[in-house]
Amino acid sequence: DGGITQSPKYLFRKEGQNVTLSCEQNLNHDAMYWYRQDPGQGLRLIYYSQIVNDFQKGDIAEGYSVSREKKESFPLTVTSAQKNPTAFYLCASSIDVWDSLYGNTIYFGEGSWLTVV
Amino acid sequence: GNSVTQMEGPVTLSEEAFLTINCTYTATGYPSLFWYVQYPGEGLQLLLKATKADDKGSNKGFEATYRKETTSFHLEKGSVQVSDSAVYFCALRRGAQKLVFGQGTRLTINP
Repeated sequence: DGGITQSPKYLFRKEGQNVTLSCEQNLNHDAMYWYRQDPGQGLRLIYYSQIVNDFQKGDIAEGYSVSREKKESFPLTVTSAQKNPTAFYLCASSIDVWDSLYGNTIYFGEGSWLTVV
Repeated sequence: GNSVTQMEGPVTLSEEAFLTINCTYTATGYPSLFWYVQYPGEGLQLLLKATKADDKGSNKGFEATYRKETTSFHLEKGSVQVSDSAVYFCALRRGAQKLVFGQGTRLTINP
């Protein structure tokens, strides 16, 4: 089945460590995104990528890094510079980053819970 | 800039009640509008969408009509079930810009 796979589902990190969250999609989508969700709040865009080897900062990119070496994969690294990393992280993808007249739908993965201990 | 405002939750209803979750937006031009649903501990699923004025999106008994004159996209369902308990997000997207979400409305349905 086509979809977006995020791993791990739950991750615990010690302060000062970097961690990488995996996101893989088999939808043949060009665009991929990372969002952060804090309890009781909406989603905020961290990074997005329109195409392989390209990515752009979103609203809250500080303390995060990404790569897009393959179309299918868009891993997110939460670095030790991220002051408050405990959150729910959602990866998403769409056919491309442009909205079309038909409403270019963005599809989400199941999410990854990151807790700093 | 573009923004979405949802009615504040939480919303608690009894099974078979009528549901309305209000959503209004601010945007230039004609954005596409979406409702996403998030079940506990899961990612977001697209519930329905509308791409132009007066379009009605519908899915699983839920409906929402794109109202340009009132800049609204209210979510409705005639008879809710316990399984509808979730957080609902209204969102818009315009051109190459990012998907903008409302803050989410938590819905609890009691049997």
